[in-house]
Amino acid sequence: GIQVEQSPPDLILQEGANSTLRCNFSDSVNNLQWFHQNPWGQLINLFYIPSGTKQNGRLSATTVATERYSLLYISSSQTTDSGVYFCACQPLGGAGSYQLTFGKGTKLSVIP
Amino acid sequence: GAVVSQHPSWVICKSGTSVKIECRSLDFQATTMFWYRQFPKQSLMLMATSNEGSKATYEQGVEKDKFLINHASLTLSTLTVTSAHPEDSSFYICSARDVRLLPFFGQGTRLTVV
Repeated sequence: GIQVEQSPPDLILQEGANSTLRCNFSDSVNNLQWFHQNPWGQLINLFYIPSGTKQNGRLSATTVATERYSLLYISSSQTTDSGVYFCACQPLGGAGSYQLTFGKGTKLSVIP
Repeated sequence: GAVVSQHPSWVICKSGTSVKIECRSLDFQATTMFWYRQFPKQSLMLMATSNEGSKATYEQGVEKDKFLINHASLTLSTLTVTSAHPEDSSFYICSARDVRLLPFFGQGTRLTVV
């Protein structure tokens, strides 16, 4: 099946700093999503972005499908941004093509 | 956006008992729902795909007799952990796919078996 690798595994930021999280995937995708998992475990969808660039406030994401990677940018980080960020991919076609495969996540800690 | 409700949010049960977790799509019909398991500080691992009106498809290594899945209607799927043991303690999350094939996730259920 598709392999999803995220980097870095851990990231500590000073409040106000910017960061870039990366997601590499091994096969063509029909869907790619970025999630934020809060301390209570709730998965919050940030972006549905199989290709192109999207922005939502201080967050933006870019997926270069031809090179099989996606980037999540967090600008002017806040303590409430802390948590685990997951990239999840849905492969294009084939068996199990509607299933999301998750990366191992990036644990972000924003300190005041 | 679409809302998926999962209940209960947390449960503590005695070893040997069974626990049922419900996953409901509140404002859309979901012919397919997915059940994930997440161990502490790890990623989400797909356990099974639940299809309305038919048997669930389990991932390799997941015991179908231990994790019973029922998808009796277009808005409800249930996961029953039978004869639970401490090693079944985990965070269980469901997701439901809407008509656009986008997945929406429930709040998760934290199961502790003592």
